[in-house]
Amino acid sequence: AQKVTQAQTEISVVEKEDVTLDCVYETRDTTYYLFWYKQPPSGELVFLIRRNSFDEQNEISGRYSWNFQKSTSSFNFTITASQVVDSAVYFCAVAYGGADGLTFGKGTHLIIQP
Amino acid sequence: GAVVSQHPSWVICKSGTSVKIECRSLDFQATTMFWYRQFPKQSLMLMATSNEGSKATYEQGVEKDKFLINHASLTLSTLTVTSAHPEDSSFYICSARDRSGLATQETQYFGPGTRLLVL
Repeated sequence: AQKVTQAQTEISVVEKEDVTLDCVYETRDTTYYLFWYKQPPSGELVFLIRRNSFDEQNEISGRYSWNFQKSTSSFNFTITASQVVDSAVYFCAVAYGGADGLTFGKGTHLIIQP
Repeated sequence: GAVVSQHPSWVICKSGTSVKIECRSLDFQATTMFWYRQFPKQSLMLMATSNEGSKATYEQGVEKDKFLINHASLTLSTLTVTSAHPEDSSFYICSARDRSGLATQETQYFGPGTRLLVL
């Protein structure tokens, strides 16, 4: 069975601050995929990143960066210089395959105050 | 990029009626689609995996007679909530698997979701 824990239910920061969203996962599979999605108030899921278990390189995309630590089963997400538009619920998820059904964490509600 | 649509986006119905939600892949063929449910301020939970031409696979705790899934074509899966009750009110989201590329590039695309309110 797979499980994702996002211990931070809600985070509130002031604009331009850096913020890190934590994600810890559990899986018995040796091969698996990790994801981050953003869900704005409209409800539509916005894909942010997919990472397979064999690729432990950290990734940076603009203000977003991800830190994959297989040794601690963590896949944390950092937003630098946060903006009000970053306010949303962020979900971390795990799946056996890159296109399999996802097991989501409970999400972190990120509030960026102007 | 790939697009997945859902119809309707909003539905309000009376208790006891059945509601059908459609999920379509618009520019790719999806042999597999997934249905998720999200209650307010909660996470998304996988309900079932829908495979074209065969019976859906339901997750533990999901009533297959309550949530009927039909995947009759490579671009369309439907979820019918039968005899809906207020506790079925939720946000239903589908996703479709795109296998047109290499196996390592398989991915899934999410629809915009359908909000169901049962009165």
